[in-house]
Amino acid sequence: DAGVTQSPTHLIKTRGQHVTLRCSPISGHKSVSWYQQVLGQGPQFIFQYYEKEERGRGNFPDRFSARQFPNYSSELNVNALLLGDSALYLCASSLEGAWGYTFGSGTRLTVV
Amino acid sequence: DAKTTQPPSMDCAEGRAANLPCNHSTISGNEYVYWYRQIHSQGPQYIIHGLKNNETNEMASLIITEDRKSSTLILPHATLRDTAVYYCIVRSEGTGGFKTIFGAGTRLFVKA
Repeated sequence: DAGVTQSPTHLIKTRGQHVTLRCSPISGHKSVSWYQQVLGQGPQFIFQYYEKEERGRGNFPDRFSARQFPNYSSELNVNALLLGDSALYLCASSLEGAWGYTFGSGTRLTVV
Repeated sequence: DAKTTQPPSMDCAEGRAANLPCNHSTISGNEYVYWYRQIHSQGPQYIIHGLKNNETNEMASLIITEDRKSSTLILPHATLRDTAVYYCIVRSEGTGGFKTIFGAGTRLFVKA
């Protein structure tokens, strides 16, 4: 079975641009969460979606948004990119009430 | 969600048990203790979780103190491939969403 897949794996954007990151959960998983990991720090929670509804939001500005599609895949959108948005963006999926998330390998975003 | 405190780094000899401590003195009754690890440039990998009782699986054992204010992750026979950052997190689950807060983790170095 395929794990959590994220695309693209690497991305370079310019300040002020917009970016869309994509995540496909493990088949059957209905919950998707997004995390930002800055170099040297632990992952920081951004959003959690379950059954296409937002169930949790971390302390991130409104420039960050996300959505979940009927097939449970998800997109993370970031507008007006700042240099500080450079990070590894991780997606994780889980079953309803699951005891452990499965993470993807992430998208490395570099803002120049 | 309760915060956790972990030592920033630890060393362990290959083949010996690695005991990674975690303090979560403000944990509440409905919060679980989870452990993940992250090998360089990969997404975090779920290891084990528990609420009150000690737990064991094919990867590790989790020992939770009776007052639940601290726990220890035990890798019984550490190998070089266990070198990673280990995260101890506490997480509550409910209708409000699955919000997971990662700290800085413990960087475990397994040495030959």
